[in-house]
Amino acid sequence: GDSVTQMEGPVTLSEEAFLTINCTYTATGYPSLFWYVQYPGEGLQLLLKATKADDKGSNKGFEATYRKETTSFHLEKGSVQVSDSAVYFCALSDGAGANSKLTFGKGITLSVRP
Amino acid sequence: GAGVSQSPRYKVAKRGQDVALRCDPISGHVSLFWYQQALGQGPEFLTYFQNEAQLDKSGLPSDRFFAERPEGSVSTLKIQRTQQEDSAVYLCASSLDGVNQPQHFGDGTRLSIL
Repeated sequence: GDSVTQMEGPVTLSEEAFLTINCTYTATGYPSLFWYVQYPGEGLQLLLKATKADDKGSNKGFEATYRKETTSFHLEKGSVQVSDSAVYFCALSDGAGANSKLTFGKGITLSVRP
Repeated sequence: GAGVSQSPRYKVAKRGQDVALRCDPISGHVSLFWYQQALGQGPEFLTYFQNEAQLDKSGLPSDRFFAERPEGSVSTLKIQRTQQEDSAVYLCASSLDGVNQPQHFGDGTRLSIL
């Protein structure tokens, strides 16, 4: 079945550092890929998405490129801020029929210190 | 309201009791999903509705779990004869049509079984 693997955490960075969070996936078809973020005390929010190979999703300075050849969707940001501290989840949807249920990775906690 | 609303936010029950968790999706959203999130893990799919029809219940862990959406709007997830392993955060998400539309998540119900 479909699965998503995220790098082990937690990750602690200083403000303005470069961020990479690795995500790889296994899927039988051509899934859509997502990054969701959960800020402290809040619900899951969609951060960005990509629906086909070589697409780049971007939002709030974060980027991720859909790499079919390496089945990856790594999240990057050039300069993190304290406000980026949150839990980040990589997810996929195989989009089969109308049921676009999401398969999530375990999530990784990012802490950014001033 | 503007977002997905779940109630209660917290629920404590004794083992063996029945519980009911409510989800009020965004108005006009056709698709509704339930997920279960254990501590330190990513959300896992439970079931999916398109309007009032439950099209996929493959993720429900046992026949003690039951979900309904009788009028195609509010949904209830019921767990009968609760067990300690049912302790988790239960997330509800809705989307406009479920296909290539982002899922909007509620804040979840944290269920603790004593």
